[in-house]
Amino acid sequence: SYELTQPPSVSVSPGQTARITCSGDALPKRHTYWYQQKPGQAPVVLIYKDIKRSSGIPERFSGSSSGTTATLTISGVQAEDEADYYCQSTDSSATSPPVVFGGGTKLTVL
Amino acid sequence: EVQLAESGGRVARPGESLRVSCAASGFTFEDFGMAWVRQVPGKGLEWVSGLNWNGANTHYADSVKGRFTISRDNAKNSLYLQMSSLSVEDTAFYYCARRGDAAMAGTDWFFDLWGRGTLVTVSS
Repeated sequence: SYELTQPPSVSVSPGQTARITCSGDALPKRHTYWYQQKPGQAPVVLIYKDIKRSSGIPERFSGSSSGTTATLTISGVQAEDEADYYCQSTDSSATSPPVVFGGGTKLTVL
Repeated sequence: EVQLAESGGRVARPGESLRVSCAASGFTFEDFGMAWVRQVPGKGLEWVSGLNWNGANTHYADSVKGRFTISRDNAKNSLYLQMSSLSVEDTAFYYCARRGDAAMAGTDWFFDLWGRGTLVTVSS
């Protein structure tokens, strides 16, 4: 199976732009999904198929992907965006489990 | 209300078996693939197992293959994870998750609905 690598932490001030990356050798052939998890809560899907925003997710959340790196961008970060963020990808081959998560990135709003 | 509710988590001894359950409500359960994802407190997410709408196709992470069995009962709107030969490394919150709509993601797996989790602690 393959791995997805995220930075352990990202810090930004309110109103700034946060960018969280997710790197993996298989990403040129795979879609990336992004989740937000706040303390004591279950994850919530933000972005699916690299760039599509899930229903009810604010427009300040966007996704992109280029080569081996996918990026979650949060424009105009708000205090309520402080959370853990996980990327996830999928593998439809028969030789690997179909789901892998990145290690997660803790976003701190200064 | 559309929701998933896990149950069955408890303290277990190494080597024991345990079954956790997930009750689905508010949607047509049999229309969706389902999965279990676990999270060691304070750590990241780890996909454990998944199955398709009728349970005919199952998948497992290498870390649990041969020890865990996923199943479902569509008549009861329920998902199960039977865990055997438990080890301390299996200690985690176990989340039930609904596979996202194929119209959105094609053959990809992603998860658009999660339960609140049930805690399994394996300790001697």
